[in-house]
Amino acid sequence: DAGITQSPRYKITETGRQVTLMCHQTWSHSYMFWYRQDLGHGLRLIYYSAAADITDKGEVPDGYVVSRSKTENFPLTLESATRSQTSVYFCASRSQFNQPQHFGDGTRLSIL
Amino acid sequence: KNEVEQSPQNLTAQEGEFITINCSYSVGISALHWLQQHPGGGIVSLFMLSSGKKKHGRLIATINIQEKHSSLHITASHPRDSAVYICAVSPLPSQGGSEKLVFGKGMKLTVNP
Repeated sequence: DAGITQSPRYKITETGRQVTLMCHQTWSHSYMFWYRQDLGHGLRLIYYSAAADITDKGEVPDGYVVSRSKTENFPLTLESATRSQTSVYFCASRSQFNQPQHFGDGTRLSIL
Repeated sequence: KNEVEQSPQNLTAQEGEFITINCSYSVGISALHWLQQHPGGGIVSLFMLSSGKKKHGRLIATINIQEKHSSLHITASHPRDSAVYICAVSPLPSQGGSEKLVFGKGMKLTVNP
């Protein structure tokens, strides 16, 4: 089905572990984004990508790594998870300048 | 001070009421977005507008570029409208670029039957 999908939907892990959140979109959108959503902060941009092999930092990039070798995939890796990274993570995509963003259903990540 | 402010932060209404959610921003923008997030759910784009007014079903979004203000109106509200409504702006390139959205913190709406 066309759309944007995130996996896993829920993840529990321990501090210090590496975690990768997956994001896949079927529209061939140029732009993809990773956000985290926390109470009191709203949505905050972690990283974004304007095209394959082009990524840039957002507001809160520390502790995260991204890659975009293919247009449709934009994985987010927590190299050594910390409790402060417990959050709900949303991936989004859009086609061009000034188009609406389409969001995935989110990944709820808990780090113990 | 946040670049995007929403008011009120929480709102409880009775079914059938007319609801207004406000958003003010402080930067020049190319577009403003209204998003909806149901409890435990994903985020859906409701409107993107750069001027005037847009309507979709019972939802109406307006924007006043000069006053840097937008409103989202819900007519004949229903319990299924209960959600968090998020305002976001695309800043002009001269003010940080339009690749990224700047988000308000959201407004939680509860509509009671």
